[in-house]
Amino acid sequence: GNSVTQMEGPVTLSEEAFLTINCTYTATGYPSLFWYVQYPGEGLQLLLKATKADDKGSNKGFEATYRKETTSFHLEKGSVQVSDSAVYFCALSEPGGSYIPTFGRGTSLIVHP
Amino acid sequence: DSGVTQTPKHLITATGQRVTLRCSPRSGDLSVYWYQQSLDQGLQFLIHYYNGEERAKGNILERFSAQQFPDLHSELNLSSLELGDSALYFCASSVLSQGYNEQFFGPGTRLTVL
Repeated sequence: GNSVTQMEGPVTLSEEAFLTINCTYTATGYPSLFWYVQYPGEGLQLLLKATKADDKGSNKGFEATYRKETTSFHLEKGSVQVSDSAVYFCALSEPGGSYIPTFGRGTSLIVHP
Repeated sequence: DSGVTQTPKHLITATGQRVTLRCSPRSGDLSVYWYQQSLDQGLQFLIHYYNGEERAKGNILERFSAQQFPDLHSELNLSSLELGDSALYFCASSVLSQGYNEQFFGPGTRLTVL
């Protein structure tokens, strides 16, 4: 079956530091890949997505590249802010069947001033 | 604001009781998904409805049931509640049941079972 593995958190950084959150996946076909963000007390929001190999998704300074050869979709940001503190979820959705997304367990990011 | 609404925001009840959580999807979205989020289990998919029909079941207990009504809103019914059912319950909607699946999440209902 499909699965998503994320690095365990929390990830603790100082403001303006470089961020990488690792995500690797297992899928039987050609999935679309997503990063969702959950701010405290809120639901998940789509942060960025990529639908085919070598695509780069980007939004709000965050980027992730769909790497089929390494089955990875690592999230990066060059300079984090305190307001980026949240939980980040990597997910995949595979065409066909019920299209139920598979989510990773989430990685908590804490950014200190 | 995702356009997905959930009520109530908080719910406190006792073991053995029954509760109903409500979700209204974004205008035009035909799919509704229910998830349970807890600290130990992470985000667990419960059930998916598309245009009133059940499409897929995940880790949903037999004590739980759901339905989607003709106006597309959905309700999740939890019965014979146990302490372990305390969690955040999210619904999400999407416009398609085919193709890649971008979901829009509601703010969640926090259920506390005492």
